[in-house]
Amino acid sequence: EPEVTQTPSHQVTQMGQEVILRCVPISNHLYFYWYRQILGQKVEFLVSFYNNEISEKSEIFDDQFSVERPDGSNFTLKIRSTKLEDSAMYFCASSVRGINTEAFFGQGTRLTVV
Amino acid sequence: DQQVKQNSPSLSVQEGRISILNCDYTNSMFDYFLWYKKYPAEGPTFLISISSIKDKNEDGRFTVFLNKSAKHLSLHIVPSQPGDSAVYFCAARGFGNEKLTFGTGTRLTIIP
Repeated sequence: EPEVTQTPSHQVTQMGQEVILRCVPISNHLYFYWYRQILGQKVEFLVSFYNNEISEKSEIFDDQFSVERPDGSNFTLKIRSTKLEDSAMYFCASSVRGINTEAFFGQGTRLTVV
Repeated sequence: DQQVKQNSPSLSVQEGRISILNCDYTNSMFDYFLWYKKYPAEGPTFLISISSIKDKNEDGRFTVFLNKSAKHLSLHIVPSQPGDSAVYFCAARGFGNEKLTFGTGTRLTIIP
């Protein structure tokens, strides 16, 4: 069964450093997303991406965050200068359509900022 | 922001019985609802969804009911199996939006 894959599974970084989280969405999907879950809290939407541009983003997704689809398969989330409060599980997801369809999630990348 | 609420943080059900998980929402613009299951250290796994034009959707052991007037949905699992033990999230999407708004989750434990 096709699945969304994320690398790395765990990333530890120093505060102020840049990190790039990587995702390979399901191949025939057209909509891509990043969500995060801070320990003990809800899963929160960060950004959606379609047709090589951001289609929707939350207040969390400020100038420190950026997304890119550098080639036909990868979808990346970059955090420019990490803060302690960026520590969370980051989930990539993809869907065939943006609305009225389910999103399939990867297994997540645990980001720890020290 | 509590637009999607799951008021029961945990639920224990005997194996073979019915599990009923509940979810309430406040935003009347939500028109598509989903249930996800999540094991520790894994991403959410899609279970079942329902559009606001329906009041019931069934898939095998899983049935989702939507009561729009009460802004309430529920997930029924019958019969419950030990492998169903996980955290269950309901999520909602607004008309024309792509983002999912998640509830806080209910931890379901199936007792053998």
